[in-house]
Amino acid sequence: AQSVTQLGSHVSVSEGALVLLRCNYSSSVPPYLFWYVQYPNQGLQLLLKYTTGATLVKGINGFEAEFKKSETSFHLTKPSAHMSDAAEYFCAVSGGSSNTGKLIFGQGTTLQVKP
Amino acid sequence: DSGVTQTPKHLITATGQRVTLRCSPRSGDLSVYWYQQSLDQGLQFLIQYYNGEERAKGNILERFSAQQFPDLHSELNLSSLELGDSALYFCASSRGGQGHYNEQFFGPGTRLTVL
Repeated sequence: AQSVTQLGSHVSVSEGALVLLRCNYSSSVPPYLFWYVQYPNQGLQLLLKYTTGATLVKGINGFEAEFKKSETSFHLTKPSAHMSDAAEYFCAVSGGSSNTGKLIFGQGTTLQVKP
Repeated sequence: DSGVTQTPKHLITATGQRVTLRCSPRSGDLSVYWYQQSLDQGLQFLIQYYNGEERAKGNILERFSAQQFPDLHSELNLSSLELGDSALYFCASSRGGQGHYNEQFFGPGTRLTVL
């Protein structure tokens, strides 16, 4: 079975500081990994995804994530936080042997950006 | 705007009642996914339809059912509602049946409150 663990339900950073949101996954097959962002009262928006190939993935709004198989991690980073980055972030895994695209989500991390 | 529409936005009902949530996928998308977001369970996959056929089932209760119609819109039916069914229900759509090849686009959600 696949699972996702996001370390830290709340992360607080100052504007301009590095953002690091942690995600570890468990999968018996090569995983496909995603980061989604949810702004208040909105649906989820895809930030970036890893399927195959380059392990450093760049996404929208200056975010990037690195797939590290040896560490089973897919941490999300952004060099400089902006106030507009305040939101809830979800790491998700998909794939496996079944012919489906269902996503298994982590519990989410709320990012607070302080001025 | 993701292109996925969900109606209604809000639904308030009583225990024991039955409700229907509706989702229209993006134009051209063949897959529809339903997810439930609650404070205690987080974001959980419920069910996926692909071109009218059920493709995958997750943690969906027997009191819940879904279908996808020939025009590809989908409905999620929740019956014998309990207080614990109060949650945000998201619909997502993708071009194909396997989400790791096809990005899932999420609708704004339907917030269900059971009193």
